[in-house]
Amino acid sequence: AQKITQTQPGMFVQEKEAVTLDCTYDTSDQSYGLFWYKQPSSGEMIFLIYQGSYDEQNATEGRYSLNFQKARKSANLVISASQLGDSAMYFCAMNSGGGADGLTFGKGTHLIIQP
Amino acid sequence: DVKVTQSSRYLVKRTGEKVFLECVQDMDHENMFWYRQDPGLGLRLIYFSYDVKMKEKGDIPEGYSVSREKKERFSLILESASTNQTSMYLCASSYPGLAARGDEQFFGPGTRLTVL
Repeated sequence: AQKITQTQPGMFVQEKEAVTLDCTYDTSDQSYGLFWYKQPSSGEMIFLIYQGSYDEQNATEGRYSLNFQKARKSANLVISASQLGDSAMYFCAMNSGGGADGLTFGKGTHLIIQP
Repeated sequence: DVKVTQSSRYLVKRTGEKVFLECVQDMDHENMFWYRQDPGLGLRLIYFSYDVKMKEKGDIPEGYSVSREKKERFSLILESASTNQTSMYLCASSYPGLAARGDEQFFGPGTRLTVL
């Protein structure tokens, strides 16, 4: 069974600062994928970034990067130069390498960016 | 533009009613999923399907069933709704093989179901 742990229920960050959202995972699979999704107050789930377990380089997508530390089973999301529009719920998730068996989500982190 | 639609944004039903939640995707995706989202619990997988007429139980299938008669449509059925099924229900779809994005799932807008 897979498990995702997000230990920060809520975070307050000043605008323009960098943010790190923590995520640790547990799985017995050798091949797996790690995801981050953003959910604004409007409710839609927005895909941010993906890291495969065999990817040696950390994934980056614009202001988002994923700090992947495989030995520590850690997949932290880093948002550089935070903006007011980054205020949202953030979910870390994972699936097995096949991808067809659904995602296991963490409980989420509520990020609030303050001006 | 990819699109997953759900039949209702808000739904109010009575205990014991049979409830149908419909999800349609226009991306020709093989895989479809149903999740429920509750505060403090994140999203939990109810059922998924990787082909027409195929279905697999997720982590919390009790009290639910699903139907997939056509590739683009995946229905979640509450046979006899109960108050503990009051929740946000999210449908998603994915296409296997998009390795660069790890079978990214595309989500619908969600249906907020209240069972009285």
